[in-house]
Amino acid sequence: ILNVEQSPQSLHVQEGDSTNFTCSFPSSNFYALHWYRWETAKSPEALFVMTLNGDEKKKGRISATLNTKEGYSYLYIKGSQPEDSATYLCAFRSGNTPLVFGKGTRLSVIA
Amino acid sequence: NAGVTQTPKFQVLKTGQSMTLQCAQDMNHNSMYWYRQDPGMGLRLIYYSASEGTTDKGEVPNGYNVSRLNKREFSLRLESAAPSQTSVYFCASSEVYSSRGYGYTFGSGTRLTVV
Repeated sequence: ILNVEQSPQSLHVQEGDSTNFTCSFPSSNFYALHWYRWETAKSPEALFVMTLNGDEKKKGRISATLNTKEGYSYLYIKGSQPEDSATYLCAFRSGNTPLVFGKGTRLSVIA
Repeated sequence: NAGVTQTPKFQVLKTGQSMTLQCAQDMNHNSMYWYRQDPGMGLRLIYYSASEGTTDKGEVPNGYNVSRLNKREFSLRLESAAPSQTSVYFCASSEVYSSRGYGYTFGSGTRLTVV
């Protein structure tokens, strides 16, 4: 069973702070890396799908980078807002297999 | 455009009872998945269907069966529910299984309690 590790488990930041979290995954047989945003009482929504080493994706104040050779991805949020409060899930595909999810990083942004 | 629809949203079962969780997608996606989510755990794959007519086991298939009824629908059956199956169940779909570039679309979940 593949291991996808996310850190930290939870994070509390003040409104306006910038923050980042890490996803670690096996560096061999990389296929794709996904980030999802999961708000309480809702379903996970895809943020980014990354497939190439060195990929950088951006959506508004949120961006992500990918290093497949060393097996990590960073998610950055610039100028956090209360509406950014959610759990951020990382998910990894090795070869042509379904996504394996990490346990997530729970972000709370305090106004 | 409804996306992925799961029914029911909530269910309480007694140990030993059976039930079927329904999932339907209207996005013409080829692949569908069932995950369960438990406190302190990530989403864990129960079964998946890469395309209509195929199903495969995931990480935690014991105690479950699935049916890919047609391209739209993928059901999950608990034949004899156990308290260990108390969980939130998510159905998801993706456009093409073998393609790297597509994200998953998730349903809103079914919260199942087995007493």
